[in-house]
Amino acid sequence: DQQVKQNSPSLSVQEGRISILNCDYTNSMFDYFLWYKKYPAEGPTFLISISSIKDKNEDGRFTVFLNKSAKHLSLHIVPSQPGDSAVYFCAASRQYGGSQGNLIFGKGTKLSVKP
Amino acid sequence: GAGVSQTPSNKVTEKGKYVELRCDPISGHTALYWYRQSLGQGPEFLIYFQGTGAADDSGLPNDRFFAVRPEGSVSTLKIQRTERGDSAVYLCASSPRGGPNTGELFFGEGSRLTVL
Repeated sequence: DQQVKQNSPSLSVQEGRISILNCDYTNSMFDYFLWYKKYPAEGPTFLISISSIKDKNEDGRFTVFLNKSAKHLSLHIVPSQPGDSAVYFCAASRQYGGSQGNLIFGKGTKLSVKP
Repeated sequence: GAGVSQTPSNKVTEKGKYVELRCDPISGHTALYWYRQSLGQGPEFLIYFQGTGAADDSGLPNDRFFAVRPEGSVSTLKIQRTERGDSAVYLCASSPRGGPNTGELFFGEGSRLTVL
């Protein structure tokens, strides 16, 4: 029973266009969400996060949107660059009442940005 | 280097053998985490240390798995009587403070374990 779901295993986008990666969660107790990027043979690297008290967080080309009522978040990358090609993992945690060390990850979405 | 270091990078062992995986976190980071990533899956939480103590070990799959961090720095993940299903990439991460919501986790490159 997956608590964090990334239903698209892969996404292909043209360079310069917008990439939208989606993530759904089932546990309404989650209150902190993160996106990680992973290149082959490397560990995941942190990209951006959002607390449940916000509905948007922006950092340069990366924006994360959170829709609590729909239990849905998305990562927008604009403009997309070939170097963005990687696997993107959505993760969630409970800040209060749960283990702060326990991040629940989705299965990931492989993004390919074509020149 | 300045990042999280994991050794060995690759380990091939036979079913039933004992394995140790080592993690050297970023200097000064008090929190240390072990995750496991199987093929086609996202990282799965195993255990979280705050200093020398395990703050949460609820992700350890069974009593064949054990982890220590005796001096609050380097950690060792120990797997007894390995099974083929233990084959995965074992990821270690550290952070300056406890809790992922207080800052991102810094992951190492992982130790790929293959049990034949």
